[in-house]
Amino acid sequence: NAGVTQTPKFRVLKTGQSMTLLCAQDMNHEYMYWYRQDPGMGLRLIHYSVGEGTTAKGEVPDGYNVSRLKKQNFLLGLESAAPSQTSVYFCASCSYNEQFFGPGTRLTVL
Amino acid sequence: EDQVTQSPEALRLQEGESSSLNCSYTVSGLRGLFWYRQDPGKGPEFLFTLYSAGEEKEKERLKATLTKKESFLHITAPKPEDSATYLCAVQAGGTSYGKLTFGQGTILTVHP
Repeated sequence: NAGVTQTPKFRVLKTGQSMTLLCAQDMNHEYMYWYRQDPGMGLRLIHYSVGEGTTAKGEVPDGYNVSRLKKQNFLLGLESAAPSQTSVYFCASCSYNEQFFGPGTRLTVL
Repeated sequence: EDQVTQSPEALRLQEGESSSLNCSYTVSGLRGLFWYRQDPGKGPEFLFTLYSAGEEKEKERLKATLTKKESFLHITAPKPEDSATYLCAVQAGGTSYGKLTFGQGTILTVHP
């Protein structure tokens, strides 16, 4: 039982490049979330999903897209990366009211 | 708009020196208040969920309490391994499970 895993762990992009972050969970959870964590800002919700095939916007969705084609996977896409998207990204899945977080992806946009 | 404010931003303790972390919140109908622990370079780890004023929960040296405006995380006789960032979050009524608003965290350092 791996819990929540994230790929990749680190990535450096140039401004304007695109990439996809992958989140996978093996706990059969319906709910999944993408957060970003910045110094002094705390964790902020980007997008979330309440089930396979559904997505919804969180607090800071601009510049990101998501897809939940399979229940166990939640993808976060950056179509045209900007330096303001330099951050640590965390994925989480939820069982009732207990969230399980992944180890994070550290993204730097130059 | 839901808001969570944690204080202090950083706290340094000697081993065995008990103290408390504060989490003040404003939310439209509290569904739950959550405490997490985050170690450097890792994702947050769930500690407690509190649902109503007056509720208390304990785990080893940690005890979380809840009032209508704030929550406290009491740390009794801390050890160096308790050093971490402690995060508080709230879920508003009428929102999806797990849709949380987080505070900025308190960085706790416990010196031997």
